[in-house]
Amino acid sequence: LAKTTQPISMDSYEGQEVNITCSHNNIATNDYITWYQQFPSQGPRFIIQGYKTKVTNEVASLFIPADRKSSTLSLPRVSLSDTAVYYCLVGDRQGDKLIFGTGTRLQVFP
Amino acid sequence: EPEVTQTPSHQVTQMGQEVILRCVPISNHLYFYWYRQILGQKVEFLVSFYNNEISEKSEIFDDQFSVERPDGSNFTLKIRSTKLEDSAMYFCASSVGGAIRIKFFGPGTRLTVL
Repeated sequence: LAKTTQPISMDSYEGQEVNITCSHNNIATNDYITWYQQFPSQGPRFIIQGYKTKVTNEVASLFIPADRKSSTLSLPRVSLSDTAVYYCLVGDRQGDKLIFGTGTRLQVFP
Repeated sequence: EPEVTQTPSHQVTQMGQEVILRCVPISNHLYFYWYRQILGQKVEFLVSFYNNEISEKSEIFDDQFSVERPDGSNFTLKIRSTKLEDSAMYFCASSVGGAIRIKFFGPGTRLTVL
């Protein structure tokens, strides 16, 4: 399974756009990139998944360059409630076993 | 919106005791999972379950652990003889399956072994 590297923490202010980049240099051809969000004392929550180029949903956008060795999760206009840990995962999208790293702890300030 | 539920939210037990953690997955889901997260550490995969059998398990999931789907709605994790190091948040998850196996996680059960 491809290893991922992402910043340990990030700070932002309400209303700003936040971009969290994840490196996955050894991504395999059939791997997808998936992001989960976790609030304290809660289970992870699926945010977005993509294979290449750009994916957008009501919560976030995911940008994946052509070489797929990295990806960027973009959260538009964050609010205090977006304070959480964000995990980048890479693997077969049908894979049963999710491998979580340490994630990026995003702190949003007023 | 349908969600995964777990009971109890907090379980305290003595070392060596058996515990059963209960989960009700989303009703039309076919794949079921248990993960755990020791305080301050990563979320770790324990086991996946499909078609009434374990499809994959981690090295953490030793003989002390077992899973069961006793009826059409519940999915349980049993720890036969708890150890101090089993203290963690245990998350149940489920997935409908298909081409994109997105996992929906429950709120977790905090297990404290004394």
